[in-house]
Amino acid sequence: EVQLVQSGGTLVPPGGSLSVSCSGSGFTFSRTALHWVRQAPGKGLEYVSGSYTSGGSTFYADSVKGRFSISRDNSKNTVYLQMRSLRPEDTAVYYCVKDPFDTVTTYNWFDPWGQGTLVTVSS
Amino acid sequence: QSFLTQPPSVSGAPGQRVTISCTGNSSNIGAGYAVHWYQQPPGTAPKLLIYSNINRPSGVPDRFSGSRSGTSASLAISGLQAEDEADYYCQSYDSSLSALYVFGSGTKVTVL
Repeated sequence: EVQLVQSGGTLVPPGGSLSVSCSGSGFTFSRTALHWVRQAPGKGLEYVSGSYTSGGSTFYADSVKGRFSISRDNSKNTVYLQMRSLRPEDTAVYYCVKDPFDTVTTYNWFDPWGQGTLVTVSS
Repeated sequence: QSFLTQPPSVSGAPGQRVTISCTGNSSNIGAGYAVHWYQQPPGTAPKLLIYSNINRPSGVPDRFSGSRSGTSASLAISGLQAEDEADYYCQSYDSSLSALYVFGSGTKVTVL
């Protein structure tokens, strides 16, 4: 069974930094693209970042570019989202999601989703 | 932030058929890119419901169906059941975004 298990939630002050992790099992992690999608309280889904092993490409939403960084440790089957210069508007549940392809196409979808990690940015 | 536009809410009685629209533009759905749908019951993570416009993953009832035409896509739920009450989101590729992927604004389905 394909599973994505994420680290626990936390409270961070504005301007602070945080890394959230996602461990995968049931699939060949080193040849799988993984992404982060977030959902602010009571709001919709927003694509945040993605990592493709084919070519080592990474992608970021404009709202997090320059502040967030996606990385992966294939030896630990884990992908990370390093967040810095956090703002109150970054408060959200962050979901780790798996891509069925390891290359960018015009038909990539996300399945399955991790359980989510609540990140609260507040003083 | 770029969105695909969905109606905020739709409702129906048990057994009825409801449809949810997802409207984009020439840089996403209108360019012929595939549309995918996700279901998010209250307090849970989203789940893939329809992929590549019309395909259902294993385990998804055939009461759910998808279609795409022009700059829009639709999700239909026939024989509405209480367990279908959830938020629904469409998603597509967008050639104008550095992040590549865009979600719809979300639709709350209420079973009366």
